[in-house]
Parts: sequence; C-alpha cells; structure tokens
Amino acid sequence: AQRVTQPEKLLSVFKGAPVELKCNYSYSGSPELFWYVQYSRQRLQLLLRHISRESIKGFTADLNKGETSFHLKKPFAQEEDSAMYYCALSGSGSARQLTFGSGTQLTVLP
Amino acid sequence: GAVVSQHPSWVICKSGTSVKIECRSLDFQATTMFWYRQFPKQSLMLMATSNEGSKATYEQGVEKDKFLINHASLTLSTLTVTSAHPEDSSFYICSVPLLRLAGGPINEQFFGPGTRLTVL
Repeated sequence: AQRVTQPEKLLSVFKGAPVELKCNYSYSGSPELFWYVQYSRQRLQLLLRHISRESIKGFTADLNKGETSFHLKKPFAQEEDSAMYYCALSGSGSARQLTFGSGTQLTVLP
Repeated sequence: GAVVSQHPSWVICKSGTSVKIECRSLDFQATTMFWYRQFPKQSLMLMATSNEGSKATYEQGVEKDKFLINHASLTLSTLTVTSAHPEDSSFYICSVPLLRLAGGPINEQFFGPGTRLTVL
C-alpha cells in the first residue's frame, strides 16, 4: 500500500524566513513524487515534480529515497506563497492515480 | 497545460435525490479521468477511475451503485450521486492525467475546479 504523510497541518512563517514543508512516503517500488498547491479559491495545480529537478517560484524539493522523504523548501518565503500544499505520490506503471497527503496550510506573515 | 471544467460548481439538493456532476477535458482527449472527494479540512481521496469504453474502477470502500460513473466520450465523464444523503455532502473534484513522452515520460494531472455538493 502507498501512503503519503504530511505531519504539519498548519505552518506559519514570517516573510523572508525559510520554509520547509515535510513529506514522507511509503511505497514498495519507484514512485513519482509531486507537490501540488491550492491557492485560496483556486483549483489544485502542480507546483513541481521530483523527476524534473526544477525550481518553481523559488521552491525546490529533493527526493531522499533513504529517508523516503520529499520535503518542499524555499529559502525566503513570500506572502503570496500562503496556500494549501499537498504532497502526492504516483506509483510506477500505467495507473497514474495520485495518493495525496493530508496537506499543510502555509501562512506567510508580513 | 490542459483545461478541465466541472459543472455545476455547486449544488444543493434534498436527501434522496440524485445529482449528476460533469467533468470535461476542454483541449485534449482523455481515456482516463479520476474522481476525488474532499471533506472539509481533509485531503483528497481517490474515489474511482473513469475509463472510456469500459467500466469505472472503484477504490475500496466506495459504493459503485451509489456513485455511478459514465465516461461518455473522450472529453466527458459524469459522476452521479444516487439517493444522496447528508453524509454525501462534500467537494467532488475530477482530474485528467496527461502522460507526455517527448523528452522523457512526464506524468501530470490537471484538476477541475471542483463541485460543492450539499445534501439537506
């Protein structure tokens, strides 16, 4: 069975401070890991995926297979980063269903 | 990216009635669509996989006779909540997966805006 755990429901940081949203997963094969973001009153959208090794809006996430983690990081948080963040896992194969973590509500304070 | 629409965006109905929710992929064809349910302050839970030309695949614990899925065409999937009850009140979200192979396989899902169902 696959599982995604986001231990923090709420996270508040001040503008300009570093932020890290934690995500741990369990999966027996080689998963694809994603971070999705949902801004207020908007639909869920992809922020980044581990295979692309990209930085989007200053956010990065590194897949650590040893620790089975995919933490999302940003060195300097901005107020517009305030949103709900979901870590998600897709198993290998053609199914492509996503298993979501419970989400972390990030609030960046001025 | 792909554009996915849902209709209606919200619906209020009486207990015992049925409600149909549509999910449309506006700019590309999708043989597969996913239906999720999200309760307040909780995560998205996959309900079922809608398959064009064949039966939907339901996740464990989801009643297929209650949540009827019809993948009518390559751009439309419908979810019908039959004999709705207050406990079915939730946010229903569909997504369309896109697997791009150019430059290496990329698996991405595009989400609809969701439908808020309230059963009185």
